[in-house]
This record gives sequence, structure tokens and C-alpha cells, in this order.
Amino acid sequence: AQSVAQPEDQVNVAEGNPLTVKCTYSVSGNPYLFWYVQYPNRGLQFLLKYITGDNLVKGSYGFEAEFNKSQTSFHLKKPSALVSDSALYFCAVILWGGGYNKLIFGAGTRLAVHP
Amino acid sequence: KAGVTQTPRYLIKTRGQQVTLSCSPISGHRSVSWYQQTPGQGLQFLFEYFSETQRNKGNFPGRFSGRQFSNSRSEMNVSTLELGDSALYLCASSRGTQETQYFGPGTRLLVL
Repeated sequence: AQSVAQPEDQVNVAEGNPLTVKCTYSVSGNPYLFWYVQYPNRGLQFLLKYITGDNLVKGSYGFEAEFNKSQTSFHLKKPSALVSDSALYFCAVILWGGGYNKLIFGAGTRLAVHP
Repeated sequence: KAGVTQTPRYLIKTRGQQVTLSCSPISGHRSVSWYQQTPGQGLQFLFEYFSETQRNKGNFPGRFSGRQFSNSRSEMNVSTLELGDSALYLCASSRGTQETQYFGPGTRLLVL
């Protein structure tokens, strides 16, 4: 079965320090991978995606993600965390075929950035 | 360009009632997908519509249904509401297959 795992329920980091939110995937074929962020009482906001090409993908608000095919991982990173980055982060893979597409999400990781 | 809009934002219903939620996609987007978010089950795919046709359906009972209109706006309906239907219902739109899905703010449904 195709799935996405986010092994950490919560990540704590001090403001100004680098942050990493982990994601691993299990899919057949080439994965299309996404990161979304959710602030309280809001919908999901698209951060970045990997389709093909460079393994390091740059996205919104200074976030980037590194695709590693051998480790089947797609970790989200930011060199210097801000308190305003505190939110719920979701990794997702898109399943497509037969003319449809749907996102399969990980369980989410809550990021807490402390001043 | 305006984002995905969903109405209403909040809804309170009682068991046994039915509810209709509305989603207006980003202009030019023809695919609309619906997701349910709950603390226990996380984000789960409900269904996807493209050009007024349901292309895929998640593992939800038949009480959950939807439709899409010729202007790509979509509605989802839940009949005979149960307590467990309390959730945040998210709509997402995209240009088409394999494209990035952009989400609306969601409709928070509370079933009493």
C-alpha cells in the first residue's frame, strides 16, 4: 500500500536554529511529493513540491526539501527558524492514474519554534 | 487571483440531519477534491470531480456525496449525520491531474 510517514508528532526548535521535519514515503513508481502547512483554524497552504529534477527543492517562506530516492525520504528544512513558523506540517504524495489524482497525507508534525 | 473559497465556514447540526457544503475553485481550475480532517484519522480523501464527473472516491459510506457544476463549483452533501462526521472539510482545486492542489479554508462541521 502506498503511504507517507512522518515519524515525529512534534518538533521543537529555538528561533534562529535550523529546523528539519522528516517524511518518508512508500509508493510504486516515481513519487510526486508535497509539503503543506496548516495554521490554526485555517486550510492547508502549499509550500513546495518535488516532481523530478534537482533533489533540493526550494519553496515558500525560505523552506526547502531534499528528495532522497535511496532512503525514500523528503525532509523539509529551513536554515533559520522563526516563531511564526510554528504550525502543523503535512507531507503528502499524489497518487494518479486512470485520469484521477488524490493526495495521501502523513499524520502531520507539529512544529514549535521557541523564542 | 482569488483562492479557493468555501461556505459556510462553520456549521452546527444535529444527528440525523443533512448538510451541504460549497466550494468555489480557483478560476481556471477544473479539478475539485474534497478531504475530511479529524484529530483521530487525519486527512482523508473523500472524492474528486473533474469536468462535472466524479473520477475517484475514497473509502466513505454512501451518505457522503458530491457534485460539480459546469462552472467547476462543487458541493458535497452528507445525509443522516452522525456524531463522527464532526470534522473540518477541506476543498482543494487544481488545473488537472498531477497538478498542485490548492486548499480552501475549510468548513468546520459540528454534529450534536
